[in-house]
Amino acid sequence: SYVLTQPPSVSVAPGQTARITCGGNNIGSKSVHWYQQKPGQAPVLVVYDDSDRPSGIPERFSGSNSGNTATLTISRVEAGDEADYYCQVWDSSSNVFGTGTKVTVL
Amino acid sequence: QVQLVESGGGLVKPGGSLRLSCAASGFTFSDYYMSWIRQAPGKGLEWVSYISSSGSTIYYADSVKGRFTISRDNAKNSLYLQMNSLRAEDTAVYYCARGRRDSSGYYFLDYWGQGTLVTVSS
Repeated sequence: SYVLTQPPSVSVAPGQTARITCGGNNIGSKSVHWYQQKPGQAPVLVVYDDSDRPSGIPERFSGSNSGNTATLTISRVEAGDEADYYCQVWDSSSNVFGTGTKVTVL
Repeated sequence: QVQLVESGGGLVKPGGSLRLSCAASGFTFSDYYMSWIRQAPGKGLEWVSYISSSGSTIYYADSVKGRFTISRDNAKNSLYLQMNSLRAEDTAVYYCARGRRDSSGYYFLDYWGQGTLVTVSS
């Protein structure tokens, strides 16, 4: 089965840039989607199709995907961005989720 | 606005059964693929099952195949998950989510419900 690997945690100071990676075999050939989940809440889609944002998601959230790594970038990080982030692709007739990354705002 | 509201969770003994429901509103339910995803306490997201808009295509994760059954009633705007032979490892918050086609022709999940907790314990 397809495996998506994310770093367990990323720490960033307010106003700085957070980069969350999602590694997978030839992931650049797939469409990658990203979800944000705050404690006690349901996941929320923040980026789809590698780099598109749903309406209502700030421009500070952006994505890229190439080779074996996809990346979610959060610019000008705010305290409210503290959450778990999951990448997701479609493989073998199933939604495959990454292992998740906890973003801590220092 | 799109709303998905899950219900039916609770405490059940190992080997028992439970039926989850997801009531959809704010969109044309019969046009969308729907999915169940679960999250064990303190763990990550795990896809469970999906069903196509008409109900003709269904897939399950290996961990639930043969025990869980997904279904939908488009006339009632509702999605269901029948869970049988429950195990302790099925303990999780279960979310229903709406699927949307991506640029590759596959699916991602653009709206999620708030989830319902299923606890399997004696």
